Amino acid sequence: TQLLEQSPQFLSIQEGENLTVYCNSSSVFSSLQWYRQEPGEGPVLLVTVVTGGEVKKLKRLTFQFGDARKDSSLHITAAQPGDTGLYLCAAADGSNYKLTFGKGTLLTVNP
Amino acid sequence: SAVISQKPSRDICQRGTSLTIQCQVDSQVTMMFWYRQQPGQSLTLIATANQGSEATYESGFVIDKFPISRPNLTFSTLTVSNMSPEDSSIYLCSGGGRNEQFFGPGTRLTVL
Repeated sequence: TQLLEQSPQFLSIQEGENLTVYCNSSSVFSSLQWYRQEPGEGPVLLVTVVTGGEVKKLKRLTFQFGDARKDSSLHITAAQPGDTGLYLCAAADGSNYKLTFGKGTLLTVNP
Repeated sequence: SAVISQKPSRDICQRGTSLTIQCQVDSQVTMMFWYRQQPGQSLTLIATANQGSEATYESGFVIDKFPISRPNLTFSTLTVSNMSPEDSSIYLCSGGGRNEQFFGPGTRLTVL
């Protein structure tokens, strides 16, 4: 089982600020997924990164996969109140598709 | 993508009773999983639901407490048996393949 360290656990910022969330492990991932979850809803898949060094952009969100495939980051530019939610990284076990989740980052963007 | 629905969305149950949660996917998926989540916290995998055979349980979860069925590629059930207040949580099912999983909205269970 891969252990994922996600940081920070809590983040409260003002609208317009930038932020970065980190996801790290001592193990190599076959792939890593980022999810966003709002209260009362299930997690929604934002992106999957597979290749070391990969960078994916989703509007104001930028996802990066480390060269060694042991770490990943999510950067949000000019955060908006609608970005508020629980952000979760999850590493896939290549052999059986199971996901191991990080502890999550609870983001609050204040207007 | 796949759309996943769960029933019930929430329930309040008495200690010692059992509740069965249903999970329906709108398309065939390779894998289905069941998770537990405390509000505001991360997800803990309970088990992998295997079509036509016994589920594969994670450490700390057993079949007698959480029996799971998956009769076909689009449907699964999780039963929480002989409930206690410690079982109060959000239960989520997911379905998908190697690089993506889609989640249901969850079932919020409160045990009194």
